[in-house]
Amino acid sequence: DAGVIQSPRHEVTEMGQEVTLRCKPISGHDYLFWYRQTMMRGLELLIYFNNNVPIDDSGMPEDRFSAKMPNASFSTLKIQPSEPRDSAVYFCASSGQYNSPLHFGNGTRLTVT
Amino acid sequence: GNSVTQMEGPVTLSEEAFLTINCTYTATGYPSLFWYVQYPGEGLQLLLKATKADDKGSNKGFEATYRKETTSFHLEKGSVQVSDSAVYFCALQAHNAGNMLTFGGGTRLMVKP
Repeated sequence: DAGVIQSPRHEVTEMGQEVTLRCKPISGHDYLFWYRQTMMRGLELLIYFNNNVPIDDSGMPEDRFSAKMPNASFSTLKIQPSEPRDSAVYFCASSGQYNSPLHFGNGTRLTVT
Repeated sequence: GNSVTQMEGPVTLSEEAFLTINCTYTATGYPSLFWYVQYPGEGLQLLLKATKADDKGSNKGFEATYRKETTSFHLEKGSVQVSDSAVYFCALQAHNAGNMLTFGGGTRLMVKP
């Protein structure tokens, strides 16, 4: 089992540019989550999907953020345009049936200058 | 709403010392409770879990008991090692919120030889 795979591991971009983060969940998992981690706010849930359908996106900071899950094996988190305050580590996680633990990827460290 | 409160770190211990990291929660109903560990540059890994009152989760010498009466899930280890140095997160999973996890702020543990 390869685990949850995220790419890229590191992303450095300039303010105003579009950023796309990618995630491949564990095969067979029905739930996919995007979290953001910063020193100031800790771990924040941005959005989660169940069977490719967005269930709760109340944590998405603003319209500059969007997430998609076109199929069971792939999800993207897009920021357009990016701002320096978006600098953080973004984690993707997946889980199986209801009430099962989450499995996290190694994260994407985003730096917006 | 649901929330998790952890003791603030860093916690600095000498090797072979006893570890306690306090965690209390607020939730409607009876959530599942988890401890995750994050090593530098990595994602979160499930350390242990408990799904109902009085359950004891254990793994790698760590243990935590689900205490409904005190709404707590304190993490303990009898003898820490340098390799235990990491950030530890307490989390709850409400049974009416899909598989979403609500995390505490994390506690950094530093173990000195």
